[in-house]
Amino acid sequence: QVQLQESGPGLVKPSQTLSLTCTVSGGSISSGGYYWNWIRQHPGKGLEWIGYIYYTGNTYYIPSLRSRLTISVDTSKNQFSLKLTSVTAADTAVYFCARNWGSIDSWGQGTLVTVSS
Amino acid sequence: DIQMTQSPSSLSASVGDRLTITCRASQDISNDLAWYQQKPGKVPKLLIYSASTLQSGVPSRFSGSGSGTDFTLTISSLQPEDVATYYCQKYNSAPLTFGQGTKVDIK
Repeated sequence: QVQLQESGPGLVKPSQTLSLTCTVSGGSISSGGYYWNWIRQHPGKGLEWIGYIYYTGNTYYIPSLRSRLTISVDTSKNQFSLKLTSVTAADTAVYFCARNWGSIDSWGQGTLVTVSS
Repeated sequence: DIQMTQSPSSLSASVGDRLTITCRASQDISNDLAWYQQKPGKVPKLLIYSASTLQSGVPSRFSGSGSGTDFTLTISSLQPEDVATYYCQKYNSAPLTFGQGTKVDIK
């Protein structure tokens, strides 16, 4: 059974870069067949899908974050990562990594990232 | 981009009641729709995919229907452990947009 685990700072200062990594175990990112997603949830709000990457490096980002967001993959470490630049308080959220082929069948536990000085 | 609209945004019902939650896509998404359950402080859980296929291990009181633009999630007999927020999600193509959620609680 595949498992995903987010890691990264829980506190980021405004205007800085939010960086998170998702480590995948129990399955190989490079085996193909799945997309590797980032989803966030603002406090008390709904789920917001923000983007994904395929093991080949193909990505999709939602338009509202496209200028600030980069998702990358490191198949040698079986990890994929998120970088969000120029963060503001509006980027404070729980960030989930997840796997999908069609529907999402596996999620990380989520990590709260707070943007504050 | 295709928008996903759920209704109602919240509902309160009694144990044993039948509930229906609706999800509408702004364009045809065939049956590329999933439903998730998220309990407070927990990770979302896949309930239904392909609009009507029950994920393994999910109680049979949950069912899904629809295709094209209109979809429903039905709980045939509400149980206390079903208190949660339910989300639909389209996955026919990126972006994999979620509905805004429907919060279900017990009356």
